[in-house]
Amino acid sequence: GENVEQHPSTLSVQEGDSAVIKCTYSDSASNYFPWYKQELGKRPQLIIDIRSNVGEKKDQRIAVTLNKTAKHFSLHITETQPEDSAVYFCAARGGTASKLTFGTGTRLQVTL
Amino acid sequence: DTGVSQDPRHKITKRGQNVTFRCDPISEHNRLYWYRQTLGQGPEFLTYFQNEAQLEKSRLLSDRFSAERPKGSFSTLEIQRTEQGDSAMYLCASTRLGLDSPLHFGNGTRLTVT
Repeated sequence: GENVEQHPSTLSVQEGDSAVIKCTYSDSASNYFPWYKQELGKRPQLIIDIRSNVGEKKDQRIAVTLNKTAKHFSLHITETQPEDSAVYFCAARGGTASKLTFGTGTRLQVTL
Repeated sequence: DTGVSQDPRHKITKRGQNVTFRCDPISEHNRLYWYRQTLGQGPEFLTYFQNEAQLEKSRLLSDRFSAERPKGSFSTLEIQRTEQGDSAMYLCASTRLGLDSPLHFGNGTRLTVT
């Protein structure tokens, strides 16, 4: 089955700096890669996703890049703000699978 | 509120007792998923339904776990003879059909087994 690895597990940046979180996946047939943000005690919420036929997608301060050859994808947050502090999860959906397989999460802390 | 709702939000039970959780998905969503999340980890897939049919179960799901979605709407997850290792957040999610349809999560049921 699919295996997703995520790095780093914790990330601390100063307000205004950029943050990058990286994930790798094992199933070359995977075709859908969402990112979720989970604040303490709350549900995971989708912030951005990318399909396998696209190399990059941007939405305001967040962007995701996908390298299918290397089987990795990354989340980029620019001009970080304190409200960006949360745990971020990457996920991948295999070619014929319906379920999402999640990474282990990155705890992002944005300091003033 | 038209999101995914789960009940109860918290459940404390003694080891060996049975517990049942309920999930009401977004009304037009055909697929319903159960995930389990422990502290510091990502959600782990347990099982999913397409309408009323249970199409996949994780090897994580022991015989003590059973899930149903009898009319293709709400779903229940039952854990029999609970163990301390069952303590976790149980998340329900739903989505439309389609390989790249996003998953919408509920707020979860936090289970504590004492």
